[in-house]
Amino acid sequence: AQTVTQSQPEMSVQEAETVTLSCTYDTSESDYYLFWYKQPPSRQMILVIRQEAYKQQNATENRFSVNFQKAAKSFSLKISDSQLGDAAMYFCAYLDNYGQNFVFGPGTRLSVLP
Amino acid sequence: DAGVIQSPRHEVTEMGQEVTLRCKPISGHDYLFWYRQTMMRGLELLIYFNNNVPIDDSGMPEDRFSAKMPNASFSTLKIQPSEPRDSAVYFCASSGRNTEAFFGQGTRLTVV
Repeated sequence: AQTVTQSQPEMSVQEAETVTLSCTYDTSESDYYLFWYKQPPSRQMILVIRQEAYKQQNATENRFSVNFQKAAKSFSLKISDSQLGDAAMYFCAYLDNYGQNFVFGPGTRLSVLP
Repeated sequence: DAGVIQSPRHEVTEMGQEVTLRCKPISGHDYLFWYRQTMMRGLELLIYFNNNVPIDDSGMPEDRFSAKMPNASFSTLKIQPSEPRDSAVYFCASSGRNTEAFFGQGTRLTVV
């Protein structure tokens, strides 16, 4: 079964600085999808960024970008120019190509220090 | 579309009572997922449906838990009888094929 690992239970970053959250996953598939979700204190799950495994180019959404290393099965999230509103739990998620196996990592709690 | 709608937002019940959580997925989405979130265990997938059919319920913790999807626009997660250790936030999410999951606001269940 696919598994998603986030080795950093907690991280902190100074406002305006850059932080990288780590994620690794285990799969035998070649086509799949990876996501980063953000969960602020409101508990709403918000999609941050999405990556298709068949694309070599790393996805970018404004201040958020990923470093996708398919061979290493690594999918890290970089947040640039961190803002106070970025403070939240961040979940890495894996979806297989059949759209069925949607697995989340344990999450990383990010604190942004003023 | 209003997004995934869950009800109730909060539920407090006594141990032994039956609890029913409800979910309306986004119209046109083929997949519906039920997750449970706790501090100790994180976000656990309980069950998911494809075109109203349960595909994998291996995450359902016990026989006290059951889920149904009678049509494309409605699903329920039922706990009978409820226990204090069932206290958690329960999320419903829906997705199209190979798209991200869209989550509801969650139901915070407290069993006393």
